[in-house]
Order: sequence, then structure tokens, then C-alpha cells
Amino acid sequence: DADVTQTPRNRITKTGKRIMLECSQTKGHDRMYWYRQDPGLGLRLIYYSFDVKDINKGEISDGYSVSRQAQAKFSLSLESAIPNQTALYFCATSDPPGGSTDTQYFGPGTRLTVL
Amino acid sequence: ELKVEQNPLFLSMQEGKNYTIYCNYSTTSDRLYWYRQDPGKSLESLFVLLSNGAVKQEGRLMASLDTKARLSTLHITAAVHDLSATYFCAGLANNNDMRFGAGTRLTVKP
Repeated sequence: DADVTQTPRNRITKTGKRIMLECSQTKGHDRMYWYRQDPGLGLRLIYYSFDVKDINKGEISDGYSVSRQAQAKFSLSLESAIPNQTALYFCATSDPPGGSTDTQYFGPGTRLTVL
Repeated sequence: ELKVEQNPLFLSMQEGKNYTIYCNYSTTSDRLYWYRQDPGKSLESLFVLLSNGAVKQEGRLMASLDTKARLSTLHITAAVHDLSATYFCAGLANNNDMRFGAGTRLTVKP
């Protein structure tokens, strides 16, 4: 089974709709992240959480919100989706920097299209 | 604010050739990461470079870090088709959030 899972994998929605993307992990990491990927722009950080009570805005948080329901679950919400939020969304997890596995582990991605 | 720039953004090379991808970053970064992404897939960690002068190698890929020049390189030796993918470098900003370069799309042709 995959260590980091995302649901749904694909979603088409309409402008103004509320959308939730979910991420679960079995790696036991405290740190979780949400990124969006757009062609030619690499990945940009939306929100990150270092533990259940610690949530931080990333580079592009406007129009998004998150919820860390448990160590293993981190959800991303688009309260009122707009077309320029059409992108590929990735969840990732990690140990703190300097740990034995100093890297981020990415989920399979969610392709979101807002019409 | 940490900014990460890669070049080239697109690279087409023939099998058997050598080439280098460059990753420049704007401010101090505690460490530098390289990831690979196959089309339609997620990102896979390749290397983590932790200090000035660090060099890591895996197969035909070798990554290095020069913190004084704020430069990391990913060198490809004797390219093969299986290396075709998009390669990303990323730095770690002071507040522990990761900043990615735009990616280098590598195509290796027979």
C-alpha cells in the first residue's frame, strides 16, 4: 500500500463550488504539506503543518484553507473554486530536517479542473 | 525570500552524451534537494545535499552543492532513455518551507 494517499485522484467542478482534497499517510511523519503544480512553475507551497496544532501559510495560501484532523490526515479546501485554481495538487510528508530520512514523500497527486 | 532557478528548462539530448543541469538559489538554504518526476506521476526523491562541497551519486546521476556560489548541479553521464523525466531542485527556506525550481524537462533520444 502507498505511504501517502490522496483522494480524489481527479475532480472536475464548477466555479463557486466548495471542494475538499484529502491526504492520508502511514509514514508516521509529523510534518505534512500541500503543493500545487502548474506547468512551467514547479511546485508552490500552499500550506504546511508541523503537527496537529501547528498550521502555517505557504507561498500561495489565498483562496485555500486546511484542516489537520490527526497526525495522519491533512485536508485542503477550496471554499469557492475559481478556474485559475485548476492545477495538479500534491500532498507530502516529512520528518524534521536533519532526520534519518531528510526528504519529502509525495502522494500521487489530485488533478483538479475548475470550469 | 528564497528563490530557486533552474536551467535549462528543456533539454533534449542523445543517448550516451553527458550534460549538466544547473540550480541557482538566491539566499542561504540549509540544504538542497533533487527530485525526479515522470509524466503523470508524483515526485521521487533523488538526492539531499547537506553541506558545501557535498557530492552524491546514484547510477548515471551525480549531484553537487556549492553553498558559496549558491549553486547545485545535476550531472548526467552517458544518458539513457530511462532518464527521460522532469528534474526539480528545491531549497529549504529559513522558515522550513521548501521552494522548488521550475523544473528541467529532459528528453533522451536514441
